[in-house]
Amino acid sequence: EVQLVESGGGLVKPGGSLRLSCAASGFTFSSCSMNWVRQAPGKGLEWVSSISGSTSYMFYADSVKGRFTISRDNAKNSLYLQMNSLRDEDTAVYYCTRGGPGSAGTTSYFDYWGQGTLVTVSS
Amino acid sequence: QLVLTQSPSASASLGASVKLTCTLSSGHSNYAIAWHQQQPEKGPRYLMKLNSDGSHIKGDGIPDRFSGSSSGAERYLTISSLQSEDEADYYCQTWGTGIQVFGGGTKLTVL
Repeated sequence: EVQLVESGGGLVKPGGSLRLSCAASGFTFSSCSMNWVRQAPGKGLEWVSSISGSTSYMFYADSVKGRFTISRDNAKNSLYLQMNSLRDEDTAVYYCTRGGPGSAGTTSYFDYWGQGTLVTVSS
Repeated sequence: QLVLTQSPSASASLGASVKLTCTLSSGHSNYAIAWHQQQPEKGPRYLMKLNSDGSHIKGDGIPDRFSGSSSGAERYLTISSLQSEDEADYYCQTWGTGIQVFGGGTKLTVL
């Protein structure tokens, strides 16, 4: 059974930093691209970042480019999101998602979602 | 620019059918999309990948009541025999090199 479990969310002041983690199980982690998607309170889904299976590519939404860094450790079956220079508008539930079959080296749809972790940026 | 457009809301009666629409922006009518369901207070769940020819790949455990179809730049999600638990937000998603795009979502109310 595929499982994605996020952790690391919490309350942080504007300008602060936070590192999110996603523990994956039930599939060959390195064979899939992985992604972060967020949802601000009462709003729709917003793609944040994607990383290929071998880390050969990393992509970011314009809203986080230069502030967030996506990474993965295939030996630990883990995905990460380092978030720096946080702003009020980064407040959201952050979801880890898996890229669909054959997605190791390319962008793809999301076929599994984690339960999410809440990040609140407030003074 | 790759954009997905969805109606903000839809409604249908218990036991009836409903067809939700996701429209691809001009020049992108051959793109595949994915449909996701988000029930109240829950995380999203993948429903299916839908290709431009109407073929689709469903997620694990998705009932036969959920089906997809395509026509030109339109991608559809049809839910038949509506149940109360189908009341949810439905999002379409597409992708290109270095980009992922979500539609604004359709809030489905089951009457």
